[in-house]
Amino acid sequence: KQEVTQIPAALSVPEGENLVLNCSFTDSAIYNLQWFRQDPGKGLTSLLLIQSSQREQTSGRLNASLDKSSGRSTLYIAASQPGDSATYLCAVPNSGYALNFGKGTSLLVTP
Amino acid sequence: NAGVTQTPKFQVLKTGQSMTLQCAQDMNHNSMYWYRQDPGMGLRLIYYSASEGTTDKGEVPNGYNVSRLNKREFSLRLESAAPSQTSVYFCASSEAYGYEAFFGQGTRLTVV
Repeated sequence: KQEVTQIPAALSVPEGENLVLNCSFTDSAIYNLQWFRQDPGKGLTSLLLIQSSQREQTSGRLNASLDKSSGRSTLYIAASQPGDSATYLCAVPNSGYALNFGKGTSLLVTP
Repeated sequence: NAGVTQTPKFQVLKTGQSMTLQCAQDMNHNSMYWYRQDPGMGLRLIYYSASEGTTDKGEVPNGYNVSRLNKREFSLRLESAAPSQTSVYFCASSEAYGYEAFFGQGTRLTVV
């Protein structure tokens, strides 16, 4: 069964720092990997989807990389802002039609 | 842009009561999903509909039923609510399996 792990579980950084969130998965035969953001009490917002054939995907200050062979993806956030504070989740499709989610990294960006 | 809309946003039920959670998407997506999110358990798939007219069980289907009413709407029904069904429920949709998934804002359900 595909296991998705996100480390660290929580992260606190001062405003302006560049930061990296990590996601690892046990089965490298993935179709794609998707990063989401979840604000407290809210739904999931799709940030980036990176296909298995891609190495990187960028959207604004966000950059996601994918290394299938090592079972890892990173989400890079440049010049962090307090508004980036949220929980970030990564997910990969499994064979049973579900998305397998990590437990998330809770990010706090302090002014 | 509405995207995926869920109703209601909050609900409190007594044990044994029934209710239906509604979900509608306006992106002309073929596939729709119901997930539940619990602390420490993450998000788990309850049911999905790969296309209009089909529904299938996910990881945690017991105690739930679904209806794909048309291409836009996918409802989740709790026939006899139990405290173990206290959770946050999310509806999602995607063009097809493996495509980008979009989620609604969630329904926070408490069963007492």
